[in-house]
Amino acid sequence: DGGITQSPKYLFRKEGQNVTLSCEQNLNHDAMYWYRQDPGQGLRLIYYSQIVNDFQKGDIAEGYSVSREKKESFPLTVTSAQKNPTAFYLCASSNSRDIHTGELFFGEGSRLTVL
Amino acid sequence: GQNIDQPTEMTATEGAIVQINCTYQTSGFNGLFWYQQHAGEAPTFLSYNVLDGLEEKGRFSSFLSRSKGYSYLLLKELQMKDSASYLCAALDSNYQLIWGAGTKLIIKP
Repeated sequence: DGGITQSPKYLFRKEGQNVTLSCEQNLNHDAMYWYRQDPGQGLRLIYYSQIVNDFQKGDIAEGYSVSREKKESFPLTVTSAQKNPTAFYLCASSNSRDIHTGELFFGEGSRLTVL
Repeated sequence: GQNIDQPTEMTATEGAIVQINCTYQTSGFNGLFWYQQHAGEAPTFLSYNVLDGLEEKGRFSSFLSRSKGYSYLLLKELQMKDSASYLCAALDSNYQLIWGAGTKLIIKP
């Protein structure tokens, strides 16, 4: 079955550690996105990529980094520079290369807790 | 600034009808999305409106009024599985998605 897979589902991190969240899709989608979801707030865009080897900062990119070496993979690294990393992270993809046109397909999410 | 407003929480009874409202203020407008998100799960696409009017899709319908900056999601014949958060998101002139905080819908038997 085609879909988008995030791992791990739950992750605990000590302060000062970098962590990488995995996002893989087998939908052959060009565009991929990382969002952060916090209680009482709308989704906020961290990074997006419309094509392999290219990505753009979203609204809250500080303290995060990404890579897009393969079409199907878009990992997110939460660095120690991110001051408030505890959140629910959602990866999404779209079959439209134009940003945000078209339906977004989301992964199940990764819940990061900083201890 | 750009803003999406939707109620934080709503309660309805199984078998009934509920309307979830969303108002938006954006720099330009290229359409409005509704997504459903069950607790701890991925959001799933429900609808997309760019023209005024009502779009019906089974038990769910979505309405848009561009002149009023207003949309609603109408859910009929409510089932317990409809208990979820409903996210409204507007696409601005730069194709940036502005998301609302979501409406948590509680269905009671």
